[in-house]
Amino acid sequence: SQQGEEDPQALSIQEGENATMNCSYKTSINNLQWYRQNSGRGLVHLILIRSNEREKHSGRLRVTLDTSKKSSSLLITASRAADTASYFCATDEGSSASKIIFGSGTRLSIRP
Amino acid sequence: DAGITQSPRHKVTETGTPVTLRCHQTENHRYMYWYRQDPGHGLRLIHYSYGVKDTDKGEVSDGYSVSRSKTEDFLLTLESATSSQTSVYFCAISESVVGTRAYEQYFGPGTRLTVT
Repeated sequence: SQQGEEDPQALSIQEGENATMNCSYKTSINNLQWYRQNSGRGLVHLILIRSNEREKHSGRLRVTLDTSKKSSSLLITASRAADTASYFCATDEGSSASKIIFGSGTRLSIRP
Repeated sequence: DAGITQSPRHKVTETGTPVTLRCHQTENHRYMYWYRQDPGHGLRLIHYSYGVKDTDKGEVSDGYSVSRSKTEDFLLTLESATSSQTSVYFCAISESVVGTRAYEQYFGPGTRLTVT
């Protein structure tokens, strides 16, 4: 089974609003990453947070990590039409930092 | 964009035939991965490689084999294709971020495989 599971599976918001996606995982990790996929394209790396970090920012992105709950959240502030995409969290398997497992993703739609 | 190409980009094949997908990189990254993407399942790891001739199984390795004879190429073979292997296949590469155990991945454009 997959290491990470995103919630919700789909999210539709108005342009300008904030979007929050959550990820839960099962085993201990070294790092957690978030990726974006535009329709029909390969995934693009957004941000990485290490297991000893609690929060990280990159532009309009804010990622939190709670290792005690084995969960992470991705917040996109002031959403734009170009943010419409699928978002995936990815984790390693703790014992194997190079083995990267993805969740099932959240499909985000931004309404104009 | 990272130098990753996949070939072919599209393929239609019949059940029972062998199929080989190729991933080629020009970044000299040590790690290479094969994932499949299906609706409702996100990306699932098939196999990955941590060096030439060094590979390991992922979540859904049954029915697939891989080979890596040189750093730049990672081949995925479906020994006898089945309809359940109809999917989009993505190759990814990574290298550890200096001083960390973090592996940021770069993805190829994908191969759409249909098994009839």
